[in-house]
Amino acid sequence: NAGVTQTPKFQVLKTGQSMTLQCAQDMNHEYMSWYRQDPGMGLRLIHYSVGAGITDQGEVPNGYNVSRSTTEDFPLRLLSAAPSQTSVYFCASTWGASYGYTFGSGTRLTVV
Amino acid sequence: GNSVTQMEGPVTLSEEAFLTINCTYTATGYPSLFWYVQYPGEGLQLLLKATKADDKGSNKGFEATYRKETTSFHLEKGSVQVSDSAVYFCALIIIQGAQKLVFGQGTRLTINP
Repeated sequence: NAGVTQTPKFQVLKTGQSMTLQCAQDMNHEYMSWYRQDPGMGLRLIHYSVGAGITDQGEVPNGYNVSRSTTEDFPLRLLSAAPSQTSVYFCASTWGASYGYTFGSGTRLTVV
Repeated sequence: GNSVTQMEGPVTLSEEAFLTINCTYTATGYPSLFWYVQYPGEGLQLLLKATKADDKGSNKGFEATYRKETTSFHLEKGSVQVSDSAVYFCALIIIQGAQKLVFGQGTRLTINP
């Protein structure tokens, strides 16, 4: 089925560990984004990409890296996990402003 | 900058009541406007959208009209159901530039039978 696929769905990390959250879309969308969702704070943009090879920072980029080597994939790397990164992470993609973004089902991350 | 402000929640209604969730925005360019819905334990789904002034988006009995003069995009439904219980997010994308989606803080809606 066409859409945005995120893996894993759940993850527990120890403080200081690193990991990569995977995101893949099969709709040939140029624009992709990563958000985190925390209770009472809505969704905040971490990083975004306007096409393969082009990424930029959102409002909360510290502690995260991204790359976009292909149109389909946009992985999010946590460099050294901290308890403050406990959150639900969503990946999303779109062709452009008129279409709205399609969201993945999310990754629930707990850092202990 | 670009921002979205939604009415504070939570909102609790009885089944078949009329629903309004207010949303206003500020934008440096020309925005497309969206309402997203998040059911418990799930991701976000696009509920409806409007891409120019005076457009009305509609889906599943929900409606919202793009009002440029009042910079608003209020969500309405004439008769809510228990299954409408969810968190609703108003959002915008500026048509020019990086196509970043800017969210309001979300409104939790609970419908009692």
